[in-house]
Amino acid sequence: ELKVEQNPLFLSMQEGKNYTIYCNYSTTSDRLYWYRQDPGKSLESLFVLLSNGAVKQEGRLMASLDTKARLSTLHITAAVHDLSATYFCAVVTWGGNAGNMLTFGGGTRLMVKP
Amino acid sequence: NAGVTQTPKFQVLKTGQSMTLQCAQDMNHEYMSWYRQDPGMGLRLIHYSVGAGITDQGEVPNGYNVSRSTTEDFPLRLLSAAPSQTSVYFCASIPNVGREHTEAFFGQGTRLTVV
Repeated sequence: ELKVEQNPLFLSMQEGKNYTIYCNYSTTSDRLYWYRQDPGKSLESLFVLLSNGAVKQEGRLMASLDTKARLSTLHITAAVHDLSATYFCAVVTWGGNAGNMLTFGGGTRLMVKP
Repeated sequence: NAGVTQTPKFQVLKTGQSMTLQCAQDMNHEYMSWYRQDPGMGLRLIHYSVGAGITDQGEVPNGYNVSRSTTEDFPLRLLSAAPSQTSVYFCASIPNVGREHTEAFFGQGTRLTVV
């Protein structure tokens, strides 16, 4: 059974600081997604990481994937209040005849204080 | 394109009632799935489908039924609602079945309360 663990689960940080969210998973996969969710809203796709060593950046967020270590990171640079949200990683596993499945981590709730 | 459309957005049920959550996508995606989101637990897969006429169970299927008679629609049925099914439900669709696919598209969610 695939397990996807994120940490920390809750992160409170000051504006301007840097921090990293970690996503560990328990089985082989070379597809990983990061999503953002605002309170009461749906999930917004941030990054799709498709291979070992993949690195993608958008604004103050940068995501990377190490398939050998089964680890993805989401790095926040010089945080601003608008980044406050819950961030999820999701790992793709091959479901055999039934196709691909997405398994989500528990989420990291980020609060950026002015 | 409307993307992934879920209805209703909110629903209150009494214990034992049945209802259907609707999900429709207009992107001709093969793969559709239902998740429930509970506080602190992320999203958990209920059922999924790789195409019309093909469905399978996810992590938490008990108490739910699905069918996929068309590519566009993937309704989720609660047979006899229980308070434990109080949650936010998300429908998602993905373009391709197989090892290569891109991002998943999510509906806006259905907030269900069972009293």
